[in-house]
Amino acid sequence: RKEVEQDPGPFNVPEGATVAFNCTYSNSASQSFFWYRQDCRKEPKLLMSVYSSGNEDGRFTAQLNRASQYISLLIRDSKLSDSATYLCVGFSGTYKYIFGTGTRLKVLA
Amino acid sequence: NAGVTQTPKFQVLKTGQSMTLQCAQDMNHEYMSWYRQDPGMGLRLIHYSVGAGITDQGEVPNGYNVSRSTTEDFPLRLLSAAPSQTSVYFCASRSSGGAYEQYFGPGTRLTVT
Repeated sequence: RKEVEQDPGPFNVPEGATVAFNCTYSNSASQSFFWYRQDCRKEPKLLMSVYSSGNEDGRFTAQLNRASQYISLLIRDSKLSDSATYLCVGFSGTYKYIFGTGTRLKVLA
Repeated sequence: NAGVTQTPKFQVLKTGQSMTLQCAQDMNHEYMSWYRQDPGMGLRLIHYSVGAGITDQGEVPNGYNVSRSTTEDFPLRLLSAAPSQTSVYFCASRSSGGAYEQYFGPGTRLTVT
């Protein structure tokens, strides 16, 4: 079983839709979690950190459920520019980052 | 503010050749790392450094060497390139404190024939 698992998608949604991605992790020692966005043939860019209490940044909301060991990302009012691959990342100390393989999102006009 | 920079952007090598991928950051970050990204797999850590003069192996270190003589630079050396090293290589950095957020360079696409 992979330490961080994501549904690879693709998720095809119309503009304006709300879409949610889930990510599960197996290492209960993981301290912190992040969502990164990666455009085709580009580097991962930090989208947001994920806090236990949940956090929101504009149209994006991240949630962490430690009891069930999953992280979620909700995107409201999807834009064409949100089309990308979203990477779930867990961190468990010093330099142990575990990356999921990503979930592809395509927002359709 | 350039952030993390990498050179070259693209490289083609023949099997057995050696080369160095360059990485530099101007954020005064103590921690730097090298990852490779292959289709269908998450980013995998090759080597990392927690400060000048200190390096350690990651998940997939074989065939690669690193050194860290300055805070800014963290080059990755391929000793004798193999087709299995065809990949996209990303350098990343973060500060030693704070929220553990990493920042990535634009990547180097390497093909070994």
